[in-house]
Amino acid sequence: SAVISQKPSRDICQRGTSLTIQCQVDSQVTMMFWYRQQPGQSLTLIATANQGSEATYESGFVIDKFPISRPNLTFSTLTVSNMSPEDSSIYLCSAAGGGGGEQFFGPGTRLTVL
Amino acid sequence: TQLLEQSPQFLSIQEGENLTVYCNSSSVFSSLQWYRQEPGEGPVLLVTVVTGGEVKKLKRLTFQFGDARKDSSLHITAAQPGDTGLYLCAGANSGGSNYKLTFGKGTLLTVNP
Repeated sequence: SAVISQKPSRDICQRGTSLTIQCQVDSQVTMMFWYRQQPGQSLTLIATANQGSEATYESGFVIDKFPISRPNLTFSTLTVSNMSPEDSSIYLCSAAGGGGGEQFFGPGTRLTVL
Repeated sequence: TQLLEQSPQFLSIQEGENLTVYCNSSSVFSSLQWYRQEPGEGPVLLVTVVTGGEVKKLKRLTFQFGDARKDSSLHITAAQPGDTGLYLCAGANSGGSNYKLTFGKGTLLTVNP
């Protein structure tokens, strides 16, 4: 398994600003993912962070709004750009590398946009 | 698009009761994971089932993968307040380099003392 940390753990931001969330894994992993979750609800995949190339976005999510970086096999960032109150959510990163499709999750970043 | 139907969505029971959570799909998955998430934390992997018909036990939790690898269940015996949390099933098709998971909508379990 992998141990994943995220920074910040929570933040309160003003609309129109941007926030960058960092995700650090304690070992090299093949895949990293970014999810969004409303409290008590399931996870929605935003994108797959690809090392050395552009992220792969799911339907409804675009690079201009959620730019993602992955400079190496242990680190990724997600930026939430030009925020609105609708972006208030929990943002989670995960990592996978085993053949069983298992993913291991960070503790999440709780974002509130005023 | 693969879908996982998870039920029930909400469950509130008394300590000591038994419960079962179901995950059903019309699609075949190469593996299926069950996660538990507590408030303020990320999902924690409980188990992965891979073989059709497989049964795995984790203390009072029993996980089963359907013979056709399209459905799964989680049974908790003598539930405890510490079992309270959001339970998520997730199916994987990890053929090739595809590690994406399909998540169910989750079951929010409350075990009352």
